[in-house]
Amino acid sequence: DGGITQSPKYLFRKEGQNVTLSCEQNLNHDAMYWYRQDPGQGLRLIYYSQIVNDFQKGDIAEGYSVSREKKESFPLTVTSAQKNPTAFYLCASRNPIRDAVYGYTFGSGTRLTVV
Amino acid sequence: QQPVQSPQAVILREGEDAVINCSSSKALYSVHWYRQKHGEAPVFLMILLKGGEQKGHEKISASFNEKKQQSSLYLTASQLSYSGTYFCGTEQSGGTSYGKLTFGQGTILTVHP
Repeated sequence: DGGITQSPKYLFRKEGQNVTLSCEQNLNHDAMYWYRQDPGQGLRLIYYSQIVNDFQKGDIAEGYSVSREKKESFPLTVTSAQKNPTAFYLCASRNPIRDAVYGYTFGSGTRLTVV
Repeated sequence: QQPVQSPQAVILREGEDAVINCSSSKALYSVHWYRQKHGEAPVFLMILLKGGEQKGHEKISASFNEKKQQSSLYLTASQLSYSGTYFCGTEQSGGTSYGKLTFGQGTILTVHP
């Protein structure tokens, strides 16, 4: 079955460390997105990519970096510059065709905690 | 700018109905609705495109008023499985970054037996 796989499910980061969250999809979707969710809040866009080797900053990109070297993969690095990284991170994909009837497909998420 | 959802929380008994609203200050191309269970990823419910159409999914339906940039999600004869947090996601008209969604803060729906 097609879907999005995020790993790891839980991640602990020490102060000053960079960590990378994995996101892989086999849906053949062109567009991929990273969102951050804090307790009791909505989803905020970190980065997104519509095609390979191209990506754009979202609303809260500071302290994060991404790459899109393959269509299937869109890893997110949380750098030491991100001062409050503890959150639930969600990866999503979609075929951004106008008038499409399908929404985002989300991965199961990675819960990142600073220790 | 983030769309505004109302109410923030709803408590129902099985069989009761609820309406969740989503309002944006931007011109919208589409509105998405998602449901998220605690600790899980959001699940896509439906998409409303401009034109004020109403769509349905089992006992859950939605409408989109393009002129007012507002959408409403209707849950009828609620079931225990409807419990969760409901998010609207809006896609703005124009521009080249279509497909990108801005989410509301969520509405917590709790259904009791």
